Amino acid sequence: AQSVAQPEDQVNVAEGNPLTVKCTYSVSGNPYLFWYVQYPNRGLQFLLKYITGDNLVKGSYGFEAEFNKSQTSFHLKKPSALVSDSALYFCAVRDISPMNRDDKIIFGKGTRLHILP
Amino acid sequence: DGGITQSPKYLFRKEGQNVTLSCEQNLNHDAMYWYRQDPGQGLRLIYYSQIVNDFQKGDIAEGYSVSREKKESFPLTVTSAQKNPTAFYLCASSPSGGNTGELFFGEGSRLTVL
Repeated sequence: AQSVAQPEDQVNVAEGNPLTVKCTYSVSGNPYLFWYVQYPNRGLQFLLKYITGDNLVKGSYGFEAEFNKSQTSFHLKKPSALVSDSALYFCAVRDISPMNRDDKIIFGKGTRLHILP
Repeated sequence: DGGITQSPKYLFRKEGQNVTLSCEQNLNHDAMYWYRQDPGQGLRLIYYSQIVNDFQKGDIAEGYSVSREKKESFPLTVTSAQKNPTAFYLCASSPSGGNTGELFFGEGSRLTVL
């Protein structure tokens, strides 16, 4: 089965500095990878996805992610952090198994991002 | 506006009671999902449905039940058999037929068992 891992429970970054939130994946075949963001007591919002093509994917709110096949990573990045970026971030992978009709999204445990003023 | 509506937003239940969480979408999406969120554990899949009148168990289906009688609706029942039901429940939907997996989420329902 496909899976993703987020090795950091929390990341602290000063406002204006670049930020990175890490994600590694384990898949068979070509991965479909995603990043979502969650603000307190809200649902998740889609940020970006990698399906195929360029390894650098650009998404909402100035975020981008770099797909690295050799390192099986899909880290989320932003060149200059804002206090309003403080939230819970989830990496996810699509898990497809045509034989038993499975087609679902599996999430990592989440990384809490704190942007310090 | 199109979207996913979950209700109620907050719900309190006594032990031994069943409770049903509502999820309605007007996005014309075929697939719908229920996730449970607990602190430090991320999102865990309870049930999902790719098409009307069909659904599959996720990773933690025990103590839960669902139905998919209409495309727009995917209610989740938390039964008395669920040993630790206090959690934040999230419903999501996605288009199917070659979709690339992007999910659209509701605002969640927080269930507390007293």
